[in-house]
Amino acid sequence: SQWGEENLQALSIQEGEDVTMNCSYKTYTTVVQWYRQKSGKGPAQLILIRSNEREKRSGRLRATLDTSSQSSSLSITGTLATDTAVYFCAKGTGANTGKLTFGHGTILRVHP
Amino acid sequence: DAGVTQTPRHEVAEKGQTIILKCEPVSGHNDLFWYRQTKIQGLELLSYFRSKSLMEDGGAFKDRFKAEMLNSSFSTLKIQPTEPKDSAVYLCASSFGLSGNTLYFGEGSRLIVV
Repeated sequence: SQWGEENLQALSIQEGEDVTMNCSYKTYTTVVQWYRQKSGKGPAQLILIRSNEREKRSGRLRATLDTSSQSSSLSITGTLATDTAVYFCAKGTGANTGKLTFGHGTILRVHP
Repeated sequence: DAGVTQTPRHEVAEKGQTIILKCEPVSGHNDLFWYRQTKIQGLELLSYFRSKSLMEDGGAFKDRFKAEMLNSSFSTLKIQPTEPKDSAVYLCASSFGLSGNTLYFGEGSRLIVV
C-alpha cells in the first residue's frame, strides 16, 4: 500500500460543525486529490492540491499538503447533511501515468 | 455531457457463471481504469489501459479477470468463473492520462455472486 495504515474511519457530526479528515502516505508525491463518494454513486473529485500550493480552497473545502510529513488533510466548514459521504484521498503513482491509488476512506455522516 | 457509463448497474450471478461488465469512457480520454471496491479492501486497481493498450493487469486478479478495450469508446471486464468472493462494486474510470489528471468514475456495477 502507498498509504499509511489508517483503516476505514467513521465520523458522525451534527450539521453546521466543521470537520477535518487526514491521510498520510508512504511514497513521495507532488499531487494529492480528494474524492467524495455518495451512496450508490462513483467517486467524484473534490479538490486537487499540488506540493507547491500547501493549501487550496474551494467553497467550504480546504485541502492541505505537507510533503515533509507526507500527509494531506481535507476540511469542510459548516457541514450540511448533503456532505454525508465517503471521502478518499488519492495520489498518483508516477510522472507519466494517470493511475491513482486510493486511501481507505473516511465515512462522514452529518446529522441534520 | 456524457460521463462514464457502466452497465449493468446490478448483476446477480451463480457461482461458476461468466459475467461481463461494460464501460463507455468519457469521449476523448486516453486512460481507462477498472477498480474493484469492497468495504474491507477499499478501491483496488484491476486493469489500466492507455490508448487501448493494456498497461497493467491487476496482479492478483489475473487468473479469472480479463479486461479488454477493443476500441477507444468501449471496454469490458469479464469474470470467469465467478466466485462468491467476487461480490463487490466494479468501477470504471477514465482520464486524459497525465499525472495529476482527474479520474471520472461511472456509477459502478454491483455484482452479487451466490
